Amino acid sequence: AQSVTQPDIHITVSEGASLELRCNYSYGATPYLFWYVQSPGQGLQLLLKYFSGDTLVQGIKGFEAEFKRSQSSFNLRKPSVHWSDAAEYFCAVIPDGGSQGNLIFGKGTKLSVKP
Amino acid sequence: NAGVTQTPKFQVLKTGQSMTLQCAQDMNHNSMYWYRQDPGMGLRLIYYSASEGTTDKGEVPNGYNVSRLNKREFSLRLESAAPSQTSVYFCASSDAGLAGTADTQYFGPGTRLTVL
Repeated sequence: AQSVTQPDIHITVSEGASLELRCNYSYGATPYLFWYVQSPGQGLQLLLKYFSGDTLVQGIKGFEAEFKRSQSSFNLRKPSVHWSDAAEYFCAVIPDGGSQGNLIFGKGTKLSVKP
Repeated sequence: NAGVTQTPKFQVLKTGQSMTLQCAQDMNHNSMYWYRQDPGMGLRLIYYSASEGTTDKGEVPNGYNVSRLNKREFSLRLESAAPSQTSVYFCASSDAGLAGTADTQYFGPGTRLTVL
């Protein structure tokens, strides 16, 4: 079945440590890919997106993600995590050739940051 | 620019009551969406509207109706609320084109609904 998978439900990292959040999808060859962040009680904020071109994309708040077609992955990274990064992170996909309504979300990864 | 606004922020209903969730955007976007978010489920699409006057079902439309009042506003109605509709509801908008071109969706702050 077509899906967006975020294998890690909850990750805890120390402040200043590096971070990688995983996302895999099982849609067509070139989906549109997004990472959103949700702070507690808030709406979703776009961190970054990939439509085409350079497979390493830079986003806000020091985040980056790399599209790897061969692995059907779009992992989110940050070299040094800050306490304010504690939130829930969602990977989302518009499948290859999808219509306007076809934004499919993963189930999210909750990030906790230890002081 | 307020972006996407939603009212109310919180609501408690009794089973069988009705209510309408309001959403407005000031970005002149063509497309608008309603999602629900449940713990451990991510966001699931309820309905969307590709343009004024059109609406389409998403993944979980049962128990809901929508109205695209004009380009700015997209409302979600629960005619007879059920406890299974307890959720957080998010509205979003995007500049996706009528031909089906995809674009980034921008989200409102959400409405937390509890049905007793």
